[in-house]
Amino acid sequence: ETGVTQSPTHLIKTRGQQVTLRCSSQSGHNTVSWYQQALGQGPQFIFQYYREEENGRGNFPPRFSGLQFPNYSSELNVNALELDDSALYLCASSYPLDAQFFGPGTRLTVL
Amino acid sequence: AQSVTQLDSHVSVSEGTPVLLRCNYSSSYSPSLFWYVQHPNKGLQLLLKYTSAATLVKGINGFEAEFKKSETSFHLTKPSAHMSDAAEYFCVVSSTSGSARQLTFGSGTQLTVLP
Repeated sequence: ETGVTQSPTHLIKTRGQQVTLRCSSQSGHNTVSWYQQALGQGPQFIFQYYREEENGRGNFPPRFSGLQFPNYSSELNVNALELDDSALYLCASSYPLDAQFFGPGTRLTVL
Repeated sequence: AQSVTQLDSHVSVSEGTPVLLRCNYSSSYSPSLFWYVQHPNKGLQLLLKYTSAATLVKGINGFEAEFKKSETSFHLTKPSAHMSDAAEYFCVVSSTSGSARQLTFGSGTQLTVLP
């Protein structure tokens, strides 16, 4: 059984650019959640995908968007990057009402 | 809205002594509560979860937590600290956002273990 994987591990972008982060869920999990963790803070919920549909969203603007694919892997897209988007982005997979298991994260730096 | 408050931002213990990391929660109904650990430059690892079964929950690596509804607390304990326990610990409550089950994290407690 493989765990949650994320790619890339690190990424550097400039303001105004767009970025795509990827996540492969743990085997058998059909729900993927994304979180943003700024330096020195706890993770903040961005959104969750279940069966390829977004079924919940935190307090993030529309320039944060995502996709889930039939194999339950997922992408997080961020448009018009801002300096404050610099953070560790964490993906978690689960069954819909069960504990969430996290990947190692993608460290995004916006210059 | 549900929330958690971690009462200590930093805790320092000596190796071999007990660990206590404190967490209070706020919830309008019976919550699902979790503790996660994050080692430097790593993702989050689930230590244990409470989902309205036994109030004393045993987790991995010798950690346990007790759900006390009267005190709205979910403190994490370990009888004897090990150097490898040094990390950031997050108390987490599960809540709903639309039809999604989202996690709301506390601000974290940095545990230092002294030799």
